[in-house]
Amino acid sequence: DARVTQTPRDKVTEMGQEVTMRCQPILGHNTVFWYRQTMMQGLELLAYFRNRAPLDDSGMPKDRFSAEMPDATLATLKIQPSEPRDSAVYFCASGLTQGDEQFFGPGTRLTVL
Amino acid sequence: GENVEQHPSTLSVQEGDSAVIKCTYSDSASNYFPWYKQELGKGPQLIIDIRSNVGEKKDQRIAVTLNKTAKHFSLHITETQPEDSAVYFCAATSGWGNQFYFGTGTSLTVIP
Repeated sequence: DARVTQTPRDKVTEMGQEVTMRCQPILGHNTVFWYRQTMMQGLELLAYFRNRAPLDDSGMPKDRFSAEMPDATLATLKIQPSEPRDSAVYFCASGLTQGDEQFFGPGTRLTVL
Repeated sequence: GENVEQHPSTLSVQEGDSAVIKCTYSDSASNYFPWYKQELGKGPQLIIDIRSNVGEKKDQRIAVTLNKTAKHFSLHITETQPEDSAVYFCAATSGWGNQFYFGTGTSLTVIP
């Protein structure tokens, strides 16, 4: 049963702390997307990768957010330092360049106090 | 870039009635239009999709229609059930691994 996994599922932290979210895309998928979901903004694309190379990270606040793919089985999203306005649910999705579908993970609910 | 608008933002229907959610897009290069269902506390799940070479697609109680000329597509759910209650998102993309542009979501409530 292939699926996207994300850890942690929930994270509560204090303002100023570093937060790292991890995503394991579906094996064989070569595109990975990071989204942020809030009530006000809906689903926002933060960054996406193709074959581990970043294609677009214009949706991310560059001064505090960074996204990487150390290898084909792991994508990370870091926030340093975190702020209360970063509180949201962060989703990872993966897909194939030769296909169209994106498959979402269960999300990481981040609360910054 | 692409702009996807989705209406209505909330929709309540009686169990057994039909529900229709509509989306418009702006970029004629978009050729793939998925619909996602998101239940509380879960990630969006793909429920149906349509490509630009097709005008309509049906899967049991759900169907999607596409009007390329008018740049709009719609989700139709017939014989609604309480378990259909969720937030539904439409999206548009030019495909081949490119980014999706999502609508703002429709919160559907099916009243038993």
